[in-house]
Amino acid sequence: AQTVTQSQPEMSVQEAETVTLSCTYDTSENNYYLFWYKQPPSRQMILVIRQEAYKQQNATENRFSVNFQKAAKSFSLKISDSQLGDTAMYFCAFMKLGNDMRFGAGTRLTVKP
Amino acid sequence: DVKVTQSSRYLVKRTGEKVFLECVQDMDHENMFWYRQDPGLGLRLIYFSYDVKMKEKGDIPEGYSVSREKKERFSLILESASTNQTSMYLCASSLFRFGANVLTFGAGSRLTVL
Repeated sequence: AQTVTQSQPEMSVQEAETVTLSCTYDTSENNYYLFWYKQPPSRQMILVIRQEAYKQQNATENRFSVNFQKAAKSFSLKISDSQLGDTAMYFCAFMKLGNDMRFGAGTRLTVKP
Repeated sequence: DVKVTQSSRYLVKRTGEKVFLECVQDMDHENMFWYRQDPGLGLRLIYFSYDVKMKEKGDIPEGYSVSREKKERFSLILESASTNQTSMYLCASSLFRFGANVLTFGAGSRLTVL
C-alpha cells in the first residue's frame, strides 16, 4: 500500500513571507498523481494544486508551487507571499491510476500578521 | 460547481446505536468515498464506490458498511457504534474511474459516540 508522510505537524510563517511544506511518499507505481489539499478552520477541504508524475515540470497555481522530485519521492508545497487566509491544515495526497486517494497526516499552517 | 452534501454536521449517539451518515452529490460523479479524519492520522479511507451497488474496502473498513443504491447517494453505516468511532467523517466524490480526478469534499460530519 502507498504511504504518504508529512513530517511537519505544525508550522508558522509571517504574513508576506514564503513557507515550504514537506511531503514524501512511498510507491512502486510509475504513473500516479500527487495533490495538495487545504482545509481552512471549520471549512471544507479544497484542492490547492496537483501534479502528474509523468510531467517533469513542477506545477504552479498563482502563489502556490510544488517541488516534485520523483526519484526521491518528494513533493513539497511552497507558498509565496503568505496571506492570513492561507491559515489551514494542508494535506498531501497520492493517487494511483485506480483512483483511490491516500492522504498524509497533515501540516497545520498558521500565518501570523 | 459540484456540491457534495452531508446530511448531518454534528451527531451525538450512544454506544451500540445504529448510525447512518448520508452523502449526496449533484453532478453525476461516478466515484464516491468515505474518509475518517483524526488528529495526527490525517484522512483514512473507509470505503469507496465506483458505481451503483458497487463498493470497495479502503484501509479501515472494520465496523462500517456502505450502501449505494443510487448514483448520487452514498451512505456510511455504523451497525453498532462504539466510542472509538468518534471522529470527523468526510464524504467525497470524483468524476471518472480513472485519471487525475480531483476529489470534491463535503463539509464533514462530526460524530460523537458516548
